[in-house]
Amino acid sequence: GDSVTQMEGPVTLSEEAFLTINCTYTATGYPSLFWYVQYPGEGLQLLLKATKADDKGSNKGFEATYRKETTSFHLEKGSVQVSDSAVYFCAHLANQAGTALIFGKGTTLSVSS
Amino acid sequence: DAGVTQSPTHLIKTRGQQVTLRCSPKSGHDTVSWYQQALGQGPQFIFQYYEEEERQRGNFPDRFSGHQFPNYSSELNVNALLLGDSALYLCASSLIGTTYEQYFGPGTRLTVT
Repeated sequence: GDSVTQMEGPVTLSEEAFLTINCTYTATGYPSLFWYVQYPGEGLQLLLKATKADDKGSNKGFEATYRKETTSFHLEKGSVQVSDSAVYFCAHLANQAGTALIFGKGTTLSVSS
Repeated sequence: DAGVTQSPTHLIKTRGQQVTLRCSPKSGHDTVSWYQQALGQGPQFIFQYYEEEERQRGNFPDRFSGHQFPNYSSELNVNALLLGDSALYLCASSLIGTTYEQYFGPGTRLTVT
């Protein structure tokens, strides 16, 4: 069935370090892919998305490229800040009709100054 | 522009009781989805409502039911609460033509004792 696998956390980095959070998916066809971020005590916020193969989503210095060959959508940021500390979720749409989102278990990022 | 709002913020119930959670979608949105997020896990899709009808349902028992009102707001009802129903319940709204882009509310934290 459809699923999303993310690298296990927590990921602990110093400020200005390079970030990569790996994400792979299992799905029928080529679904839209997303990264959501959840700050402590809050709901999920859409960080970036890609709707077709080879698309690159970007926002707030974060980037992810839709790789259909490897069914991956890894999240990267060149220089993290303390304010980036949060839980990051990779997700894809369950079907082309565009209804349910399938989420990974989340990766906790902790950035220290 | 008001985002997605949910009420109440927190709720404590006893096993066997019933609970109703409420959601108001982002202005202009007509579709509401509900997700359950257990501690340390990613959100899991419960169901989605559009035009006051359940459009799709995830793998949740019939104890979970919902409703959408003419003003697009929605309720999630859970009967015969179990300890395992303790979770953060997230509401997400979208437009029917772009349900791939879902906006999440802050959630309702349900604790079942």
